[in-house]
Amino acid sequence: AQSVTQPDIHITVSEGASLELRCNYSYGATPYLFWYVQSPGQGLQLLLKYFSGDTLVQGIKGFEAEFKRSQSSFNLRKPSVHWSDAAEYFCAVGEMEYGNKLVFGAGTILRVKS
Amino acid sequence: GAGVSQSPSNKVTEKGKDVELRCDPISGHTALYWYRQSLGQGLEFLIYFQGNSAPDKSGLPSDRFSAERTGGSVSTLTIQRTQQEDSAVYLCASRGQLNTEAFFGQGTRLTVV
Repeated sequence: AQSVTQPDIHITVSEGASLELRCNYSYGATPYLFWYVQSPGQGLQLLLKYFSGDTLVQGIKGFEAEFKRSQSSFNLRKPSVHWSDAAEYFCAVGEMEYGNKLVFGAGTILRVKS
Repeated sequence: GAGVSQSPSNKVTEKGKDVELRCDPISGHTALYWYRQSLGQGLEFLIYFQGNSAPDKSGLPSDRFSAERTGGSVSTLTIQRTQQEDSAVYLCASRGQLNTEAFFGQGTRLTVV
């Protein structure tokens, strides 16, 4: 069964600093990979997704993520964090077959200090 | 509507009562998921429906939990004899045939007192 690990429960960065949120997955084949963001009191919004092709994917709000098969990782990055990026971020993995369940990591809470 | 709709948005119930939570997926989406998000916890998978296939119920925490999906559209998650540990936000998501990501509703916040 697939699983997702987000090793950092909380991360605090200064506004304007760079950000990297880690995500490792366990799955035998090439997975679908996703990053979602949940702002306080809000629903989950998709930031970006990977399912084939270029291993560096661009998302909304200036985020990007890189799929590294050899490391089973899909880390989320942003070169310059804004105070509005403070939220909880979830990595998720789904199987390549259409419609299989999505497994989420425990989430990483991002705090931005001014 | 254009998105996934869940109702009620908030529900307070007494311990031991049954509750029903409703999810209206995006029209045409054949896959539907229920997740539970407890305070400070990630998203816990509960159940997954895909078209006319038998649902994947592997995430339901106990036999007090059940879900159905009528006509391949609306889904209801039922929790019988609620316990305080059932207090959480219950999230529904749907996926369509041509898209790969799931779209989430705003959730139902359940509080068992």
